[in-house]
Amino acid sequence: GESVGLHLPTLSVQEGDNSIINCAYSNSASDYFIWYKQESGKGPQFIIDIRSNMDKRQGQRVTVLLNKTVKHLSLQIAATQPGDSAVYFCAEISNDYKLSFGAGTTVTVRA
Amino acid sequence: NAGVTQTPKFQVLKTGQSMTLQCAQDMNHEYMSWYRQDPGMGLRLIHYSVGAGITDQGEVPNGYNVSRSTTEDFPLRLLSAAPSQTSVYFCASSYGGIYSNQPQHFGDGTRLSIL
Repeated sequence: GESVGLHLPTLSVQEGDNSIINCAYSNSASDYFIWYKQESGKGPQFIIDIRSNMDKRQGQRVTVLLNKTVKHLSLQIAATQPGDSAVYFCAEISNDYKLSFGAGTTVTVRA
Repeated sequence: NAGVTQTPKFQVLKTGQSMTLQCAQDMNHEYMSWYRQDPGMGLRLIHYSVGAGITDQGEVPNGYNVSRSTTEDFPLRLLSAAPSQTSVYFCASSYGGIYSNQPQHFGDGTRLSIL
């Protein structure tokens, strides 16, 4: 079936290292993707988005890569900081306006 | 500018009770939605609204009602609470919703336990 998911439920990263969070999707009709960050006790917070006509988009310390050939989305965080500890999840909107969220990856930053 | 405000933050109900979860936004967003978040699962859409006076069902609407009398407010009503409705509920808003490919702004959630 159509779903959005993340490869790993947890990720532990050393402070200062780069983090890579992955997301696989199965709906080839999806044309808009969003990464959210959710801190404990808070609502999801928009990080970055990308449309299907792009394969890379950069923000402040974050980069999203989209590989439509293998239906893969990734979020790269440069120089990971303790404040980056959170649950990250991807969301996709298909061209028939179906919105799906992945279950999330919990990122823990080690000091 | 408060963004999306949800009240209450926590609530415990007994099975069969009814209650209303409040959601208000001050960004003049047309699109508002309600999600529930359960452990190990992604957010699931309960109901949404594309503007005042217009509501529609999402993925998991059973047991919930909504109304949209103003642009700012989008309350979610549990008609007769059941333990399966124990969850964290998030309200979100955006300019055009999923139809305009705009990211949604979320509130901080209401943690609801049904005994």
